[in-house]
Amino acid sequence: DGGITQSPKYLFRKEGQNVTLSCEQNLNHDAMYWYRQDPGQGLRLIYYSQIVNDFQKGDIAEGYSVSREKKESFPLTVTSAQKNPTAFYLCASSHTGTASSYEQYFGPGTRLTVT
Amino acid sequence: SQQGEEDPQALSIQEGENATMNCSYKTSINNLQWYRQNSGRGLVHLILIRSNEREKHSGRLRVTLDTSKKSSSLLITASRAADTASYFCATDAGTGKLIFGQGTTLQVKP
Repeated sequence: DGGITQSPKYLFRKEGQNVTLSCEQNLNHDAMYWYRQDPGQGLRLIYYSQIVNDFQKGDIAEGYSVSREKKESFPLTVTSAQKNPTAFYLCASSHTGTASSYEQYFGPGTRLTVT
Repeated sequence: SQQGEEDPQALSIQEGENATMNCSYKTSINNLQWYRQNSGRGLVHLILIRSNEREKHSGRLRVTLDTSKKSSSLLITASRAADTASYFCATDAGTGKLIFGQGTTLQVKP
């Protein structure tokens, strides 16, 4: 089965703790993305990576960190510096190219609750 | 930064009716994409329309793009209860990332 997986589906943490969300894809996509979605809202881009060992900040990168050591994996760490971390986190991947961008494939999401 | 603004925010129709959702954006784009999200799930790509295209069809979906008005519409014909979901437009301005709108929540009543 080709696809993009996120784990866990639900995650609970105490305030002040760092937490890492997993994202893995076997679609051989170069690009990967992390989004945050709040209730009734659209998606906001946290970080994205178009190639291994390189990544860029999105619109709301503060309080988050990422790594891209392997093509298949793009973990997101929510640090204690993120003021309001409770949200639904979505990972996506896509091909890249010189032509206009390609469709993104999304994982099922991780719902993070911090109390 | 949210580029896409969608209208209406919520739409409720009867099964068999058509549903139309609109998306407006602010800057020049390479393409515009529509996605669907069932409650609590990831997004699924529906259709991509390039800036040099005016209309595109995929099954019961029809998308139009008017670059002079910086707007797009998604029409779902002969809607079904299974079409109940949130629908998002996303614009690609050639920056390597998509900018998503706030979404339209569609309820199709059986």
